[in-house]
Amino acid sequence: GAVVSQHPSRVICKSGTSVKIECRSLDFQATTMFWYRQFPKKSLMLMATSNEGSKATYEQGVEKDKFLINHASLTLSTLTVTSAHPEDSSFYICSAATLAGDVKEQYFGPGTRLTVT
Amino acid sequence: GQNIDQPTEMTATEGAIVQINCTYQTSGFNGLFWYQQHAGEAPTFLSYNVLDGLEEKGRFSSFLSRSKGYSYLLLKELQMKDSASYLCAVTDGDYKLSFGAGTTVTVRA
Repeated sequence: GAVVSQHPSRVICKSGTSVKIECRSLDFQATTMFWYRQFPKKSLMLMATSNEGSKATYEQGVEKDKFLINHASLTLSTLTVTSAHPEDSSFYICSAATLAGDVKEQYFGPGTRLTVT
Repeated sequence: GQNIDQPTEMTATEGAIVQINCTYQTSGFNGLFWYQQHAGEAPTFLSYNVLDGLEEKGRFSSFLSRSKGYSYLLLKELQMKDSASYLCAVTDGDYKLSFGAGTTVTVRA
C-alpha cells in the first residue's frame, strides 16, 4: 500500500521561532497533498491543499503567512509554522492523493506533534 | 458548507456489534470514508462508499444512503484493539475531505 512519511514525529520549539514539517510520499507521486491540524479529542481540520508546482489553497481562517506551504516535487510537501506561539501547539497531519486512476482514498502520514513553549 | 454529525462516544462489550451512524449535509458529494484513529496516531482507511448500499470487509461493514445523507459503520465481533476513534469523512470529488468530529468507541471485556 501507499506510504506517507512525516518528519519530525515530535518537535518542541520556543515561542517566536519557526519549525518546518516535511511530508513525503514514499512509493507514489502525489500531485495533491493536504495539511490538517487536530486538537486533543477533536477531529481533523483541513488547513490547506497543496498542489505540486503551484501555490497552496488555504481554508478560511488559516493564515497563509503563518503557515507556509511548499510543494516543490511530486513526493514532498513542507509546512513551516512561522513565529510559533503556544496556541500553535497541535498535532499536524499530512495526506497525499494521486489523480491517477480512480483511487479515491487519501494516504495519511503518521503526524507531527508540535509543542511550542 | 459541510455539516457532518456522528455520536461522540459509544461503549460496547468484547464480541458484540456496534453501529456508528453518520449524517451529512454537504454542498458537494463524491463519496464517504470511514477512518479509524488510535490516540496520537494518524487515521487509517477503513472503507469508502460512493454508491448506495452495503460494503462488507471482514469484521467491518459500511452502508450509504445518498438520498438520506446517511451512513453507518458496523463493527462486528468487537475486539479490545477496536477501541479507537472512528471518523466519518465526506469528499467533494476533489480529494478534499471534510471530517466529522469522530466517535470514540470503548470496548470493554
